[in-house]
Amino acid sequence: EPEVTQTPSHQVTQMGQEVILRCVPISNHLYFYWYRQILGQKVEFLVSFYNNEISEKSEIFDDQFSVERPDGSNFTLKIRSTKLEDSAMYFCASSEFPTGKLETQYFGPGTRLLVL
Amino acid sequence: AQKITQTQPGMFVQEKEAVTLDCTYDTSDPSYGLFWYKQPSSGEMIFLIYQGSYDQQNATEGRYSLNFQKARKSANLVISASQLGDSAMYFCAMRGSNDYKLSFGAGTTVTVRA
Repeated sequence: EPEVTQTPSHQVTQMGQEVILRCVPISNHLYFYWYRQILGQKVEFLVSFYNNEISEKSEIFDDQFSVERPDGSNFTLKIRSTKLEDSAMYFCASSEFPTGKLETQYFGPGTRLLVL
Repeated sequence: AQKITQTQPGMFVQEKEAVTLDCTYDTSDPSYGLFWYKQPSSGEMIFLIYQGSYDQQNATEGRYSLNFQKARKSANLVISASQLGDSAMYFCAMRGSNDYKLSFGAGTTVTVRA
């Protein structure tokens, strides 16, 4: 069964460093998403991406964040200068369509980011 | 804006029994999608079940069923014949008609006892 994959599974970084989180969405999916979950809290939306453009973003997704689809399979989230409060589990998700019967977003296993 | 409320922070259920997880939502959108996800202790988010707001019948997927009451704005998840592997956090989520994003509730932790 096709699945979303994410690398790395864990990342430890120093405050102020740049990190890139990588995702491979399900191959026939067209819509891609990033979410984060701070430990013990609810899942929060960061950004959605379609046709090489951001389609929606939250207030969390400020200038420190960027997304890219560098090739036909990968989808990345970059945090330019990490802060302590960026420590969280980051989930990538993908869906065939944004609405209707095929709108279900399938999540990857997550990348646990720890900023020291 | 969409709002999801899950009022049960934690529940215990005996193995082989059924459990109902509550979810209410608030939206002014005429069309929306409702979802349930399972998050085991390992951390991944596993899709369980989907209900479209215009679906005439309640969704079912194996041991999972969604009790959708549109007028009450509730979308409760029923897990039948609970198994030890059902112990996890369960999240209700929704997408409004003008949104790409999912909005999540706070989650309910289910612990299945042998």
